[in-house]
Amino acid sequence: DVKVTQSSRYLVKRTGEKVFLECVQDMDHENMFWYRQDPGLGLRLIYFSYDVKMKEKGDIPEGYSVSREKKERFSLILESASTNQTSMYLCASKEGASYEQYFGPGTRLTVT
Amino acid sequence: GQSLEQPSEVTAVEGAIVQINCTYQTSGFYGLSWYQQHDGGAPTFLSYNALDGLEETGRFSSFLSRSDSYGYLLLQELQMKDSASYFCAVKAHQGGKLIFGQGTELSVKP
Repeated sequence: DVKVTQSSRYLVKRTGEKVFLECVQDMDHENMFWYRQDPGLGLRLIYFSYDVKMKEKGDIPEGYSVSREKKERFSLILESASTNQTSMYLCASKEGASYEQYFGPGTRLTVT
Repeated sequence: GQSLEQPSEVTAVEGAIVQINCTYQTSGFYGLSWYQQHDGGAPTFLSYNALDGLEETGRFSSFLSRSDSYGYLLLQELQMKDSASYFCAVKAHQGGKLIFGQGTELSVKP
């Protein structure tokens, strides 16, 4: 079974803090994704990566950066957290040619 | 722009059949996926249609009409455990990137 894990289920940070969200997958998938999920807006893609050290902007990259130093790990970084980044963050991975994305359990981030 | 439209909520009774529609407007199209998400859980993959027609997987079926930019998810013999949010998602590029709809919250009543 594919397993995607995220470092925290719940996280509370203060405005201006640097925040790291970690995602690890155990199935050697090439592609990894970071989404945020907000009520009524569905899942919106922040960044994705199709290989180690490769990254591409999604639909809402502003205020975020990512790092992929190893194939199994994809990190989302909020350089200076703001209250409008309070959200559920979901990580997903996918094998290269497959159409199925596997999601982690999500991190609910609150920025106060 | 790129957009997907699906109803925000649907209510049905146990044992009934329900159809959740999805219309899309995207710059490219390679396929339409459906994901299920229970409250507090992670989205899980249900189906994928790349070609026109109906794909059946147990109680769930998914349909695609590329000429109409339209698809639907059909859930039969509804059970209480089917209460969840359902998202359609379009693969609009050759890579793995998906564009998601805003989700349909399905409530199954006894």
